[in-house]
Amino acid sequence: EIQLVESGGDLVQPGGSLRLSCTASGFTFSSYWMHWVRQAPGKGLMWVSRIHSDGRDTNYADSVKGRFTISRDNAKNTLYLQMNGLRAEDTAIYYCSRGVAAAGNPNWFDPWGQGTLVTVSS
Amino acid sequence: EIALTQSPATLSLSPGERATLSCRASQNVKNYLAWYQQKPGQAPRLVISDVSNRAAGIPARFSGSGSGTDFTLTISSLQPEDFAVYYCQQRYSWPLTFGGGTKVEF
Repeated sequence: EIQLVESGGDLVQPGGSLRLSCTASGFTFSSYWMHWVRQAPGKGLMWVSRIHSDGRDTNYADSVKGRFTISRDNAKNTLYLQMNGLRAEDTAIYYCSRGVAAAGNPNWFDPWGQGTLVTVSS
Repeated sequence: EIALTQSPATLSLSPGERATLSCRASQNVKNYLAWYQQKPGQAPRLVISDVSNRAAGIPARFSGSGSGTDFTLTISSLQPEDFAVYYCQQRYSWPLTFGGGTKVEF
């Protein structure tokens, strides 16, 4: 069974930092692009970042560029999101997801982890 | 950035009825459109990719259609487990974007 399990969410003050982790199992992690997608409480979905299977190519949403860093450790089957300079508007459930596509860029999300809640508040 | 507008915001239907959900893109996204289902307290789940390809385990009552800027997700006969929020998403251009969602309620 394919599983993605996020961890690391917490309450943090504005300007603070947090590192999220996502541990994968049930598939060859090192063969897939991976993504982070977030959802503010009661709101819709927003794509945050993605990373190539070998970790050498990354992309970010403009709203997090320069503050967030995506990385991965294929030996540990783990995806990370380092979040610095956190703002109230970063408050959300953060989901990790595997990137898939029948052809072209693997930018469909399947499956998703259960998410981890990040709350930015003083 | 490509905006995706979903309508209606809420669809009130009964089990057995047909649900028709719309997603309109602000620019041509060709066939690079997917649909996700999200139930309360759960993560989203891929339902349809590339306009009309059902994901693994998705029943045949779910179908997708459209091209360019106008897309539709149809649930032919609603089952109790289908009541959820549905989001469309495009991967034609950066950044990847989602629609605001349609809630299918009983």
